[in-house]
Amino acid sequence: SQELEQSPQSLIVQEGKNLTINCTSSKTLYGLYWYKQKYGEGLIFLMMLQKGGEEKSHEKITAKLDEKKQQSSLHITASQPSHAGIYLCGADIEASGTYKYIFGTGTRLKVLA
Amino acid sequence: AAGVIQSPRHLIKEKRETATLKCYPIPRHDTVYWYQQGPGQDPQFLISFYEKMQSDKGSIPDRFSAQQFSDYHSELNMSSLELGDSALYFCASSFGTGSYNSPLHFGNGTRLTVT
Repeated sequence: SQELEQSPQSLIVQEGKNLTINCTSSKTLYGLYWYKQKYGEGLIFLMMLQKGGEEKSHEKITAKLDEKKQQSSLHITASQPSHAGIYLCGADIEASGTYKYIFGTGTRLKVLA
Repeated sequence: AAGVIQSPRHLIKEKRETATLKCYPIPRHDTVYWYQQGPGQDPQFLISFYEKMQSDKGSIPDRFSAQQFSDYHSELNMSSLELGDSALYFCASSFGTGSYNSPLHFGNGTRLTVT
């Protein structure tokens, strides 16, 4: 099974609607990162969360880290077509006594105008 | 600000040929990661280097090899290319690895087409 699971895998929303993407780890998180990829382009770093309860915002995108649940949520308010793309979470986790960096399973977002 | 530079942007090769992809990290970044993204798929981690040594290995085929040079740039060498190798190859760089909590910065990718 994946060490970093995202849900949902894909999402289609009407422009103006709010949406939430979740990223859940099966290992202890030491840092959680959110990225966005526009189709066919490079990954763009959105924000980094390090402490439990931390919340950060970037334009209409807000991310929170729930350390106890080992989960982060990415919330988009009043979605726009420009929000469409693949959202990936990345995390520093500890595995077998060493740290490694892994990606989540990705969420494909489509926003209908 | 300087970003991660990948070259070439596009590459067309025939089956069984070889290809070399280059990645120039952000200045002072010492860690480089390589990812492969097939059509309609999420990026898959291939391999990473920290301070010129391989730090982690993912689903990199034996036909591929990579290294990080003294100036921290990295090259991904792909031999005996197959049609299934057609993909977007991303390189990312960061400062430190693992517990340093440094986000990855990605290049725009090299689109490889194998015919």
